[in-house]
Amino acid sequence: EAGVAQSPRYKIIEKRQSVAFWCNPISGHATLYWYQQILGQGPKLLIQFQNNGVVDDSQLPKDRFSAERLKGVDSTLKIQPAKLEDSAVYLCASSSLRGTSPGEQFFGPGTRLTVL
Amino acid sequence: QKEVEQDPGPLSVPEGAIVSLNCTYSNSAFQYFMWYRQYSRKGPELLMYTYSSGNKEDGRFTAQVDKSSKYISLFIRDSQPSDSATYLCAMSPLYNFNKFYFGSGTKLNVKP
Repeated sequence: EAGVAQSPRYKIIEKRQSVAFWCNPISGHATLYWYQQILGQGPKLLIQFQNNGVVDDSQLPKDRFSAERLKGVDSTLKIQPAKLEDSAVYLCASSSLRGTSPGEQFFGPGTRLTVL
Repeated sequence: QKEVEQDPGPLSVPEGAIVSLNCTYSNSAFQYFMWYRQYSRKGPELLMYTYSSGNKEDGRFTAQVDKSSKYISLFIRDSQPSDSATYLCAMSPLYNFNKFYFGSGTKLNVKP
């Protein structure tokens, strides 16, 4: 089966500019996650969708970050305006819905963002 | 204090060595424990998954969980150069089991 697709793979922007990342999860996966992975750190959950509803966005900096999941499939993460500290790899993951235990999260290759 | 602590390494071992990777955690609510492997410029991929305490073995990999000490380990036997990657531990609580908390990762280099 096809994996999680992300684009672009790399993006370089100036601070205060805006940027958007796109994710296409594995077909049939109800749950979609966006993570931020700063160099030398583990992934940090930004937002979790179940179908097209938000389950958890407690760590999303809502003054500058926004995300949506259209029709419960593809998702877009936007940063506006970007700051230097937003330089990181943005990972998208998806999992199937399991009622009583965590579903395996399948990760995409990530988008590497550099803010200058 | 971070909820999950992991030695960043790097850890360099000769081919064939036994490798021990470890994480400690502070949240006693964590019940699900995972190990992910991340190659350079790639997304993490699941290696092992354990619920609660105990051991789990899969080929050359063994995962151990000691909840009394809040300590988890991943052992790799007969390590291969292809095992060279960053290993991330992750864990989640029973009440929100899809919310993973990751360690910072340990970079492993297996020398031929």
